[in-house]
Amino acid sequence: GAGVSQSPSNKVTEKGKDVELRCDPISGHTALYWYRQSLGQGLEFLIYFQGNSAPDKSGLPSDRFSAERTGGSVSTLTIQRTQQEDSAVYLCASSLVGGRVETQYFGPGTRLLVL
Amino acid sequence: AQSVAQPEDQVNVAEGNPLTVKCTYSVSGNPYLFWYVQYPNRGLQFLLKYITGDNLVKGSYGFEAEFNKSQTSFHLKKPSALVSDSALYFCAVRRVSGGYNKLIFGAGTRLAVHP
Repeated sequence: GAGVSQSPSNKVTEKGKDVELRCDPISGHTALYWYRQSLGQGLEFLIYFQGNSAPDKSGLPSDRFSAERTGGSVSTLTIQRTQQEDSAVYLCASSLVGGRVETQYFGPGTRLLVL
Repeated sequence: AQSVAQPEDQVNVAEGNPLTVKCTYSVSGNPYLFWYVQYPNRGLQFLLKYITGDNLVKGSYGFEAEFNKSQTSFHLKKPSALVSDSALYFCAVRRVSGGYNKLIFGAGTRLAVHP
């Protein structure tokens, strides 16, 4: 596709349930990033992928959060045993090779609400 | 530590007037600075970036930003505001750690352009 796509666009879940969020980066982009946008914390980095490996997971807030990327393309962010404080917009971005001067292009986000 | 500050939560401007959205940064080494815009229920859209060279950077939708090293600022500007410019604006600095490049975002500034 022409841009980064994410699904679902909205997700409502009950506390304690697991959720999976999907990101499809721009075709040919080897670098992929997950960010979280919440009222209290603003925009914060979660994890970075280069190809299928994640050399920087420093932003994952707890061990309930995990992510994987397969085939150097689609990535899935999984949140286990969701809590109300996980409610946020989860944004995915991609860039060509992860270089320092590259622009990161963002998807529309997944709005997660944990009841 | 690298950080970005956007001192104004909201900026109000009359249509046709010039606008400025302020951003200051703190970074060790050469800064790589970015501006993104977010419209309601949308992801982040890239506006412009400063990597090196000319201090005045021109971007999308008639926006420009001026890099000022002595004042550690990267203010976003537009000569004549449009109602359609009303949105949430984020300044970001590239954090290069271990060769990777997560973005560190400011808290965002809401721009309201009144007819």
